[in-house]
Amino acid sequence: DIQVTQSPSTLSASVGDRVTITCRASRNIDLWMAWYQQKPGKVPNLLIYKSSILESGVPSRFSGTGSGTEFTLTISSLQPDDFATYYCHQYNSYSTWTFGQGTKVEVK
Amino acid sequence: QLQLQESGPGLVKPSETLSLTCTVSGGSTSSGSYCWDWMRQAPGKGLEWIGTICYTGNIFYNPSLRSRATVSEDTSRNQFSLKLTSVTAADTAVYHCARHPGSSPIDFWGQGTLVTVSS
Repeated sequence: DIQVTQSPSTLSASVGDRVTITCRASRNIDLWMAWYQQKPGKVPNLLIYKSSILESGVPSRFSGTGSGTEFTLTISSLQPDDFATYYCHQYNSYSTWTFGQGTKVEVK
Repeated sequence: QLQLQESGPGLVKPSETLSLTCTVSGGSTSSGSYCWDWMRQAPGKGLEWIGTICYTGNIFYNPSLRSRATVSEDTSRNQFSLKLTSVTAADTAVYHCARHPGSSPIDFWGQGTLVTVSS
């Protein structure tokens, strides 16, 4: 099975900060990484797929990079609406769809 | 507008079978290159994929749940379902049905239904 390790688990930041979240896959998944944002009581919202492709309607301050085993989600300038929990999701193959443990972005 | 609605008992006894149905409206489970998923999220925890049924007829399961989970489809009713046998308290979670296109991640989620396993 492909394991995904996401870090950090919690991130304290201020509005305007540049924020970076990292996910590491246990083996090569090419570009098959997605990122979701989830707010309390809500369903996850797809931000990025295939490592770096921005989902329609997602603000351009969100970006994704990486390939193989190392992936990063960056928020270039944190906005009040961005305080939430973020999950990475590897979808390389159905036998091993897995999610990262989540990163809670909280107010510093 | 696509809508996915989960339905089923909110309380299941330990060792019994959890059964949930997802009703799809505004779209068809039998058309297009879509796959239909079951996901869950335990209280205060992260996301877990349970299983997927695809337009090809293929069905896939999380290896950790494969022995207990069954995903099926009723195209005449535009529904798909989940059965999870021998449940324990560890299966208490919000269960979501969802959709994803072909080789893409989930792009649409149902709102979810809380299932509590307790005697």
